[in-house]
Amino acid sequence: QVQLQESGPGLVEPSQTLSLTCTVSGGSISSGSFYWSWIRQPAGKGLEWIGRIFSSGSTTYNPSLKSRVTISIDTSKNQFSLKLTSVTAADTAVYYCARVGPGGLALNNYFDYWGQGTLVTVSS
Amino acid sequence: DIQMTQSPSSLSASVGDRVTITCRASQSISSYLNWYQQKPGKAPKLLIYAASNLQGGVPSRFSGSGSGTDFTLTISSLQPEDFATYYCQQSYTTPRTFGPGTKVDIK
Repeated sequence: QVQLQESGPGLVEPSQTLSLTCTVSGGSISSGSFYWSWIRQPAGKGLEWIGRIFSSGSTTYNPSLKSRVTISIDTSKNQFSLKLTSVTAADTAVYYCARVGPGGLALNNYFDYWGQGTLVTVSS
Repeated sequence: DIQMTQSPSSLSASVGDRVTITCRASQSISSYLNWYQQKPGKAPKLLIYAASNLQGGVPSRFSGSGSGTDFTLTISSLQPEDFATYYCQQSYTTPRTFGPGTKVDIK
């Protein structure tokens, strides 16, 4: 059973960089040809896709955040990470990491495994 | 970006009721549509993928239909554990986008 766990600071000051890591267990992050994603959800609001990374390191970002986002992967640690620069209060949200299934060359994909989410508050 | 809308935004229903939630895409997305259930304080859970395929372990009272721009999630007989918020999500193109959600609560 694949499990994902987010970790990182819960409080970030405005204009600083938000950094989160997602640790994957129950399977290798580099097997199965999966994408790995970050998604966020402000309190009481809907879900926003931030971006994704393939095991090869190839990335795709949401254009709305592209200038501030970097997603990276460390296959040796079975982790992938999110960096979001120049944060403001609007970046306050629960951040989720998720696996994009079903893997392989499937045309339709979906978020089949999720972390529990971590609340990041941007405040001084 | 493909815009996703859902209706209604909320509904009140009783245990045993049949519930239908609609999702509409701003352009055709074929069958690249997924449904998730989210309970307070929890991560979303995949229910339906590719418009009509039930994810493993999801009760058969959940079903999905539709293609193109119009999709439906149906709960045939609402159970106490089904009170939650439901989101649709398109996987036709990036950026992936979600509907605003439909909150199902107890009448």
